Amino acid sequence: GQSLEQPSEVTAVEGAIVQINCTYQTSGFYGLSWYQQHDGGAPTFLSYNALDGLEETGRFSSFLSRSDSYGYLLLQELQMKDSASYFCAVRPQTGANNLFFGTGTRLTVIP
Amino acid sequence: DSGVTQTPKHLITATGQRVTLRCSPRSGDLSVYWYQQSLDQGLQFLIQYYNGEERAKGNILERFSAQQFPDLHSELNLSSLELGDSALYFCASSPEGYNEQFFGPGTRLTVL
Repeated sequence: GQSLEQPSEVTAVEGAIVQINCTYQTSGFYGLSWYQQHDGGAPTFLSYNALDGLEETGRFSSFLSRSDSYGYLLLQELQMKDSASYFCAVRPQTGANNLFFGTGTRLTVIP
Repeated sequence: DSGVTQTPKHLITATGQRVTLRCSPRSGDLSVYWYQQSLDQGLQFLIQYYNGEERAKGNILERFSAQQFPDLHSELNLSSLELGDSALYFCASSPEGYNEQFFGPGTRLTVL
């Protein structure tokens, strides 16, 4: 089965850097994704790591270490609009393309 | 706007009733996924259809069923509704082999 654990809440100051961790137990997966969800909104894709290492997309970076069963999302130059929930997700090696989501982290950016 | 549409936006019904949620994927996407988001269970995968055929099943209850039609729109049918079925139901679509899934705005179901 799959299990992806994230901190439930994180608070950070506008302009700062914040890291949201994701630790997982899974029988096998193709890659680790991150999604952002604002209150009342739909999840939107942020990044994907197929291989170990760092992927950078603008202010957002994502990291994966399969040997440590660990990944993180790094948000730089935080803006108030970054206040949202963030989910890590894996695509299990089942032949399908569905996502298994983590528990989610609610990020609050304060002035 | 992801290009995925879902109707209705809100649905309020009573226990024991049956409802149908509708989803239209992005143009050209053959895969449709249904997810349920509740406060205590988080975002859970329910079922996937690919070009009209069921491809994968997640934690979908026997009271729930889905189908994908020749025009690729999909419907999720929820029957014998219980209070615990109250949740946000999302539909997502993606091209084959694509890592990103595109989510619709969701249907908020309230069972009273």
